[in-house]
Amino acid sequence: QVQLQESGPGLVKPSETLSLTCTVSGGSITSYYWSWIRQPAGKGLEWIGRIYASGSTNYNPSLKSRVTMSVDTSKNQFSLNLTSVTAADTAVYYCAREAGASRYFDCWGQGTQVTVSS
Amino acid sequence: DIQMTQSPSSLSASVGDRVTITCRASQSISSYLNWYQQKPGEAPKLLIYAASSLQSGVPSRFSGSGSGTDFTLTISSLQPEDFATYYCQHSYSTPRTFGQGTKVDIK
Repeated sequence: QVQLQESGPGLVKPSETLSLTCTVSGGSITSYYWSWIRQPAGKGLEWIGRIYASGSTNYNPSLKSRVTMSVDTSKNQFSLNLTSVTAADTAVYYCAREAGASRYFDCWGQGTQVTVSS
Repeated sequence: DIQMTQSPSSLSASVGDRVTITCRASQSISSYLNWYQQKPGEAPKLLIYAASSLQSGVPSRFSGSGSGTDFTLTISSLQPEDFATYYCQHSYSTPRTFGQGTKVDIK
């Protein structure tokens, strides 16, 4: 079965760039949309954006000016870059697969905590 | 953006109770509505997709209904493992948005 695993620094300084990678195992990265979703401690879920295997992207307008996503099909990985981070970007970051004709998040990574602090 | 509003924000219930959570979209989303369960320290888990389709492996005590703007998640007989937070999410358009969550705890 498909498994997703986030990786990247757990601590990022204010004004710097948060970079995370999600590695997909047990299945191909092609033919699906792949999303990043975050959750501040004790709060709800926020969709950051998604990328298709072709490289096509959709970003949340609230973060669009700071977000870039990329995909490496040869490594079965996709990545998130979030620039100019502040404490408000501190959260657990999840990667997830969006599947099905009606589009639902059926597979999730375990999540990785990213803290923005000097 | 489409806003998703869940009610209640929290509820207390006993094992065996029937529990109903509602989700309202700020505009019609047809049946593009999904439900997730999240336990502390874990990633969300898909329960229901397309408003009423049960994800494989999810117990049949979970059911979903609705279309347009109003949706419901029902747990027919609450089990100890069901105490968690539940989120609705629309997939009608981007950006995808989630409800604020409904925490179900033990009475």
